[in-house]
Amino acid sequence: AQSVTQPDARVTVSEGASLQLRCKYSYFGTPYLFWYVQYPRQGLQLLLKYYPGDPVVQGVNGFEAEFSKSNSSFHLRKASVHWSDWAVYFCAVEGNYNQGKLIFGQGTKLSIKP
Amino acid sequence: NAGVIQTPRHKVTGKGQEATLWCEPISGHSAVFWYRQTIVQGLEFLTYFRNQAPIDDSGMPKERFSAQMPNQSHSTLKIQSTQPQDSAVYLCASSLGWGGNTGQLYFGEGSKLTVL
Repeated sequence: AQSVTQPDARVTVSEGASLQLRCKYSYFGTPYLFWYVQYPRQGLQLLLKYYPGDPVVQGVNGFEAEFSKSNSSFHLRKASVHWSDWAVYFCAVEGNYNQGKLIFGQGTKLSIKP
Repeated sequence: NAGVIQTPRHKVTGKGQEATLWCEPISGHSAVFWYRQTIVQGLEFLTYFRNQAPIDDSGMPKERFSAQMPNQSHSTLKIQSTQPQDSAVYLCASSLGWGGNTGQLYFGEGSKLTVL
């Protein structure tokens, strides 16, 4: 069955530092992968999405993610974090036979140190 | 453009009462999804509709929960005889299509249900 694992429940980084949030997926076949962000008291917003093609995808606000089939991973990166990136980040997988249904990881709560 | 609209934003019910949550998808979107979010379980898929037809309700608790989409402009999630464990944020999302490049979900801000 499809699943997504985000091994880090919480990550704290200093403002201006680089960031990597980890995501591992389990899926037989070609996955479509997503990263969503949830700011306090708001709904989820799409950061970026991967469809089969270039393994590195660019998203909003300087975020990017890299797909690795060999590692079953889809890690999120940012070169320099800002205090406004303080949020919860969710990785999700959509199987092409699921026809739209997303399976989410547990989320990683990102905190920023001034 | 208006996003996905969910009402009410907050609802408090007593144990055993009924709760109905409403969702208005983005105009022109043909798929509507319901998720439940709790700290312990995270984001759980409940059910979804495609062109108003129920497609997959595998995440719905078999008793007390029901969802409908009577027209393309709104969907409801009804919980009968609410229990404290039903307390959660219920998120509705819509998408232009399904699968491929049209499968991006747009989420509402959620309805926070508290069962006392």
